[in-house]
Amino acid sequence: DSGVTQTPKHLITATGQRVTLRCSPRSGDLSVYWYQQSLDQGLQFLIQYYNGEERAKGNILERFSAQQFPDLHSELNLSSLELGDSALYFCASSVGTTYQETQYFGPGTRLLVL
Amino acid sequence: GQQLNQSPQSMFIQEGEDVSMNCTSSSIFNTWLWYKQDPGEGPVLLIALYKAGELTSNGRLTAQFGITRKDSFLNISASIPSDVGIYFCAGQLWGGSQGNLIFGKGTKLSVKP
Repeated sequence: DSGVTQTPKHLITATGQRVTLRCSPRSGDLSVYWYQQSLDQGLQFLIQYYNGEERAKGNILERFSAQQFPDLHSELNLSSLELGDSALYFCASSVGTTYQETQYFGPGTRLLVL
Repeated sequence: GQQLNQSPQSMFIQEGEDVSMNCTSSSIFNTWLWYKQDPGEGPVLLIALYKAGELTSNGRLTAQFGITRKDSFLNISASIPSDVGIYFCAGQLWGGSQGNLIFGKGTKLSVKP
């Protein structure tokens, strides 16, 4: 158990819909990272938040957005869903202030868009 | 997006055999990491490397950070059935509290008892 929790574990929805994925980082971790894992693209970095502020952006679509709340949990919002958005979405956390910090991954949310 | 070249894509080996996999990149990194992912779970860190040329072991696992900073390898000695899974390399370039990981596509390891 990494200490990172993600809900829900599975999500099935239809094209055009909007969903919210939730992540609670390990206690004391200030950085949260979101990754998407699909069969063809592998694990891709989406976005990083540090202590409530966006720090880095990767290959995140404009239809996707995220935020980190004062209690440090984070939500990833996916809207106007398409079939190709079906994937595993992982959240990872780290203490986030210095070099040489391990990122601990949550168990993921499996999203299926029908 | 940017991705690392990881090889081989898959390996089928006999229990007790040694395994070697590697990752190369066109860009330099200041950290190389190796993760293992079991079905239905998130990646778990196996080894982290922070210095060019560094050789680090974790039990039967040994990994090295290439001196060019553009490659890394992972060796597993005397494989056992629980080594089955997907192994990912990841590169990281830190700067300004940004530390996102760039992942290889994984090496799927199957071990025959």
